[in-house]
Amino acid sequence: GDSVTQMEGPVTLSEEAFLTINCTYTATGYPSLFWYVQYPGEGLQLLLKATKADDKGSNKGFEATYRKETTSFHLEKGSVQVSDSAVYFCALSDRGGNNRLAFGKGNQVVVIP
Amino acid sequence: DADVTQTPRNRITKTGKRIMLECSQTKGHDRMYWYRQDPGLGLRLIYYSFDVKDINKGEISDGYSVSRQAQAKFSLSLESAIPNQTALYFCATSVGVNEQFFGPGTRLTVL
Repeated sequence: GDSVTQMEGPVTLSEEAFLTINCTYTATGYPSLFWYVQYPGEGLQLLLKATKADDKGSNKGFEATYRKETTSFHLEKGSVQVSDSAVYFCALSDRGGNNRLAFGKGNQVVVIP
Repeated sequence: DADVTQTPRNRITKTGKRIMLECSQTKGHDRMYWYRQDPGLGLRLIYYSFDVKDINKGEISDGYSVSRQAQAKFSLSLESAIPNQTALYFCATSVGVNEQFFGPGTRLTVL
């Protein structure tokens, strides 16, 4: 079935550093791709999305490009802030009508001042 | 006021007890979902509903049941709670195949 793989382990970096979180997917057809963010003690919020190949989603300085040839949707931000500390989940949605989200395991990002 | 609310926010119960988690939404969305989140495992889908008369099992439905009492309400029940159902539970809503909106979560502990 459809699945999402995120890079292993938490990510710790200094303020203003460049952030990359890798995400690859396996799917039949052409899924929609999402990044969700979970701040401490809160539910998930949609950060950005892309619905077709070569689309770039962007929000709050974060970007991710839907790469069909490498089945990837890596998240990037050029200069992180302490307030970006959160757990980030990559997800895909089956566009066959079920809209079932398949999530990666998430990456804890800790930004140190 | 939050668009997707969950009650209770925290619950501690004992093995064998029946538990109901409730979700309400004011977004007018047709689709509702229940997920559980476990450390290191991401979110996994328990049940989902496309409308009041349509209920579907997700990937981990064993031990759970649901009720869609109205378009705005979707409840998750654990008929006989067991310790490995200790987790964070999220309700979500969507309009058709668009993005999902999540509630704040219910932290359930089964002793």
